[in-house]
Amino acid sequence: DGGITQSPKYLFRKEGQNVTLSCEQNLNHDAMYWYRQDPGQGLRLIYYSQIVNDFQKGDIAEGYSVSREKKESFPLTVTSAQKNPTAFYLCASSISGVHEAFFGQGTRLTVV
Amino acid sequence: GEDVEQSLFLSVREGDSSVINCTYTDSSSTYLYWYKQEPGAGLQLLTYIFSNMDMKQDQRLTVLLNKKDKHLSLRIADTQTGDSAIYFCAESPASKIIFGKGTRLHILP
Repeated sequence: DGGITQSPKYLFRKEGQNVTLSCEQNLNHDAMYWYRQDPGQGLRLIYYSQIVNDFQKGDIAEGYSVSREKKESFPLTVTSAQKNPTAFYLCASSISGVHEAFFGQGTRLTVV
Repeated sequence: GEDVEQSLFLSVREGDSSVINCTYTDSSSTYLYWYKQEPGAGLQLLTYIFSNMDMKQDQRLTVLLNKKDKHLSLRIADTQTGDSAIYFCAESPASKIIFGKGTRLHILP
């Protein structure tokens, strides 16, 4: 089955700790994206990558980091510098930047 | 700049038509999209329209595009309780996808 997988579905961390969210796709898509969703805010773009070993900052990249060492994988690290990390994080992929995006089921991160 | 605007809430009686509206700013988008999100889940693509089309119909869904006014709408005919969700409009300028804040569709019995 082809698809995009985020893990885990729920994640709890203590304040001050870095945490990495996993996103894997087997759709052979070049482009991958990370969005953050807060109530009433819609989806805000954190980082995106059009090709392996390259990525760009989105609208709210501060306090986050990514890597794109493999086409299939685009992990997101939420660092301790992110002031308000508790949110629902969504990963997506697409054939290219202008084609439809396929979404994972999301990871709900709670920092206590 | 890139921005997508849509109203936050819509209430519709079961069996009526729902119309969700969206305005966007970037006229270079090749495709415009409508996504659906159910509680606690990711987004699911409902339909899309190519930027050189005015209308697209897919079963109960009709998408209208007015490029001059940069206005996109989604009409859901015979709205059912299963249509209750958040609907996102999105544009795709230059290698990224920009979403609106989403319209929460509430179905009245």
